[in-house]
Parts: sequence; C-alpha cells; structure tokens
Amino acid sequence: DGGITQSPKYLFRKEGQNVTLSCEQNLNHDAMYWYRQDPGQGLRLIYYSQIVNDFQKGDIAEGYSVSREKKESFPLTVTSAQKNPTAFYLCASSGQGGNQPQHFGDGTRLSIL
Amino acid sequence: RKEVEQDPGPFNVPEGATVAFNCTYSNSASQSFFWYRQDCRKEPKLLMSVYSSGNEDGRFTAQLNRASQYISLLIRDSKLSDSATYLCVVNGGGNKLVFGAGTILRVKS
Repeated sequence: DGGITQSPKYLFRKEGQNVTLSCEQNLNHDAMYWYRQDPGQGLRLIYYSQIVNDFQKGDIAEGYSVSREKKESFPLTVTSAQKNPTAFYLCASSGQGGNQPQHFGDGTRLSIL
Repeated sequence: RKEVEQDPGPFNVPEGATVAFNCTYSNSASQSFFWYRQDCRKEPKLLMSVYSSGNEDGRFTAQLNRASQYISLLIRDSKLSDSATYLCVVNGGGNKLVFGAGTILRVKS
C-alpha cells in the first residue's frame, strides 16, 4: 500500500538531547513537509522540501533541522535549542504544483522527560 | 489577521441535522482550497477539495466565494461518525498550504 510512515509513534527527549523523527513515503511525491501541532491549535509549518537536496524554512524552523538526501525520506531533528519541543509532529507529502493536497503520516508525539 | 480563520465551535448537533461551517482567508491570490477532517489525536485526512463551481461528495458540499474570500462546508444528515475537527486549508503560495485551527463538530444521538 502507498503511504507515509512516521516513526516512532511516541518519543521522549531528555534535557540537552537531540532526537530525530523519521518520515518515509512511497507515493513518489516530490514535496515533503513537517508540521507541529500543539493542543487545540492549528498546524504550523516547520520545514518543507520541494525536491531532493533542497529544503526551506517554514514559519517555526528555529531549533529544528532537516535533510532530504533521498526522495522517499525527510527526517526531522529536534535539537536541544528547541526549548519547548512537546507537541504532535506530522509529516506530509504532495505532488508538485500548488493545487495538490497534502497527505499525512500518522504522527509522532514528542514529550520531555 | 490570521491567514485562515475558522469559528472554533464546538458545534453540538443532533443526528440527522444539517450543519454548515465557514472559513475566511486573507490571501486573495490563493488558488486552491481544501477541507480536511482530523479525529482526536490522529492525523488530518483530506475530506474534499473545493472548486470554484462548488462541489458535492455524498452528504458533503463545499463552496467557494472568491469575492468575499470565504469557503463553506455543509454536512447533511449528520452521523455520529462525523464528530471530528474540520480544518479549512488554503494554498499559501507555491506548494505551501495554510491550515486553519479547525472547527469542532460533535454529533449527539
């Protein structure tokens, strides 16, 4: 089945630690995205990538980093510089073109220990 | 002003009721529009795209008013399973989408 796989489903971070969230898609989509959702809030864009080896900052990129070495994969690292990392992290992908909807993985819940 | 604004609700309706949500957007250059559904603690899922001429998918009807910059979603004959948060989504330029904070719908028996 085609889809987007995020792992792990739940993740705990210790103070001063970097953690990496995985996102893999087999939809052959060019564009991939990372969002953060806080309780009762909308989705906020962290980073996005429209093509391999290229990515752009979204609205809340500080304290996060990404890479796009393969079309299928877009991992997100939450660094120790992100002081309030507790949130629901969602990865999405889409075809190229502004009229394409995005399709989401089932998310990773990150909490601080 | 937020790029996409929605009434947060909650809308509490009985089964079988018709309910409508509106959403306004600020970017007059936006060209694509969507409604997503998000269940509690789950990922958003595409409900339907919104076309200029309006479109219908079973009990769901979406309409776009470009002049007033708003989008609507009408749900007829509400089911218990329709209970969820409905997200209004607007293209924000390039491949970027801007998500509203969502409207909560609770359908009661």
